Amino acid sequence: DIQMTQSPASLSASVGDRVTITCRPSQTISTYLNWYQQKPGKAPKLLIYATSKLQNGVPSRFSGSASGAAFTLTISSLQPEDFATFYCQQTYRSPYTFGQGTKLELK
Amino acid sequence: QVQLQESGPGLVRPSETLSLTCSVSGGSIHGYYWSWIRQSPGKGLEWIGYIYYSGGTEYNPSLKSRVTISVDMSKNLFSLNLTSVTAADTAVYYCARERNFGETWFDPWGQGTLVIVSS
Repeated sequence: DIQMTQSPASLSASVGDRVTITCRPSQTISTYLNWYQQKPGKAPKLLIYATSKLQNGVPSRFSGSASGAAFTLTISSLQPEDFATFYCQQTYRSPYTFGQGTKLELK
Repeated sequence: QVQLQESGPGLVRPSETLSLTCSVSGGSIHGYYWSWIRQSPGKGLEWIGYIYYSGGTEYNPSLKSRVTISVDMSKNLFSLNLTSVTAADTAVYYCARERNFGETWFDPWGQGTLVIVSS
């Protein structure tokens, strides 16, 4: 299976901050990388698909990119509703696998 | 817009079969892939498998010997059966639609249903 390593595991930030979360796969996955946001008691919600494509209705402060073997999710200016747990997912090879999550908390 | 809703027992006894249904509303099952994913504190998010509307399936090898996913196009739903459950199968189970255009992603998801395995 392809292992997805997210960092950091948790992050404290303030409203207005710029935040970056990183995901590193254990092998190459081309651009088959998605990002989801999950709030307590809710299902994951798709933010970014295919590395950098913004899902319809998702604010433009969210963006995704890749550099070398690492993928990043960036929130350009944190808003109060953004505090949640974020997961990356690879769909390059079955079984599809997720990162362990990054919990974003209010400082 | 498409909405998914999981249903099924919230409590299953060890060694028995976990059975869940995902009802699709606001759109047709036809033409898409449909997945089951589960989430437990110990293992995080785990993809269980998918079914294509025409019946083709693929399962996570870690669960393959115990999993069956089926589809009922007449009722616009798909189902999950997981046999010989243990406490390790306790999780929130989600259904989701796979969007598959070369690259693949899951959207939307159902709200999830908690299944506890206990005697």
